Amino acid sequence: GAVVSQHPSWVICKSGTSVKIECRSLDFQATTMFWYRQFPKQSLMLMATSNEGSKATYEQGVEKDKFLINHASLTLSTLTVTSAHPEDSSFYICSALGGVDEKLFFGSGTQLSVL
Amino acid sequence: GEDVEQSLFLSVREGDSSVINCTYTDSSSTYLYWYKQEPGAGLQLLTYIFSNMDMKQDQRLTVLLNKKDKHLSLRIADTQTGDSAIYFCAVRDDKIIFGKGTRLHILP
Repeated sequence: GAVVSQHPSWVICKSGTSVKIECRSLDFQATTMFWYRQFPKQSLMLMATSNEGSKATYEQGVEKDKFLINHASLTLSTLTVTSAHPEDSSFYICSALGGVDEKLFFGSGTQLSVL
Repeated sequence: GEDVEQSLFLSVREGDSSVINCTYTDSSSTYLYWYKQEPGAGLQLLTYIFSNMDMKQDQRLTVLLNKKDKHLSLRIADTQTGDSAIYFCAVRDDKIIFGKGTRLHILP
């Protein structure tokens, strides 16, 4: 079945550094990818919708200059957390929309811990 | 905007059926999904249904859609310990909105 690969699975970084998370659709082309953030024991919060070749659409309250999203190809979207701070520590999940039925597939998530 | 509601907890005895319910507000939702999340993991697509369908069955899973009441349910037959997880329903119109998830606990 369709697979979405998200990398890295976990990352620990110092405050003030930037972290890039990659999301790849392995066997299908994804014109649309989504980025979510999940706090412990809470639901998924949609951060932004990413369409290939165009600027991402950010949800209200999400800083686009802090969470840079690039969707340069039909199989790759990246999320860069710039100048990370401890409050950015969270579980980030990407998803890709693809296939004839436009199913939504998820990556395995990235646990970001900012010290 | 779209609102998706589901109960937060459900306890079921092993071998019984589990029914997880979800309600939504946007009648123009076209696709409706059920996802399973195990601890520390991403989301696994369990099943989905189009808005022009009333029911979909896939092995132990049965999805029922009542468009009039905007109610979606997931029934898991013969619930096993491996079914213990958080189940999210999600609905899609121009974006995909998730419920808060239902934690399914299996009693021995």
